[in-house]
Amino acid sequence: AQTVTQSQPEMSVQEAETVTLSCTYDTSESNYYLFWYKQPPSRQMILVIRQEAYKQQNATENRFSVNFQKAAKSFSLKISDSQLGDTAMYFCARSNDYKLSFGAGTTVTVRA
Amino acid sequence: NAGVTQTPKFRVLKTGQSMTLLCAQDMNHEYMYWYRQDPGMGLRLIHYSVGEGTTAKGEVPDGYNVSRLKKQNFLLGLESAAPSQTSVYFCASNRAGYEQFFGPGTRLTVL
Repeated sequence: AQTVTQSQPEMSVQEAETVTLSCTYDTSESNYYLFWYKQPPSRQMILVIRQEAYKQQNATENRFSVNFQKAAKSFSLKISDSQLGDTAMYFCARSNDYKLSFGAGTTVTVRA
Repeated sequence: NAGVTQTPKFRVLKTGQSMTLLCAQDMNHEYMYWYRQDPGMGLRLIHYSVGEGTTAKGEVPDGYNVSRLKKQNFLLGLESAAPSQTSVYFCASNRAGYEQFFGPGTRLTVL
């Protein structure tokens, strides 16, 4: 089975600091998409950022940015200037045809 | 637009009972999905559909059935519920190549 691995079950960060979440994946496809989703305590799944594998430029969305290393099959998420509202579980996902494979998630806690 | 909605939001079943979860989307998406979320395991795909009248098995299909009679609706059925099916269920939809939009989830407990 093609897998997505998030090696950090939990991370804690001080408000206004930066935290980086790691994600590695495997795939036999040359073109695919990668995503980071956020799941706050409300349980709603919210898209944070999206990366097309054929694009070399790393995606950014305000305080969120990724480091996409295609050859290493690595897709890390950096949260800058962390805010209390960033407290949530974060899931990395990789497209497989039109389906998604998810990692197990990383719980991020932002401390005041 | 309501996006993706799920009915019900919570349900408690006894072992052996049956139920149907309804997912509806108003974004005219071709693709729809049912996932289950269990602690420490992320989201796992149960079944999915690439268009009206079509369904396919995902990663964990056993004990579930689905139907997509209308493009906007995707139903997940449990014919004989088991405690192992206690989980949070999410429906999602999208267009090819784009992010999936998720419903709010259904928390199901099987006693």
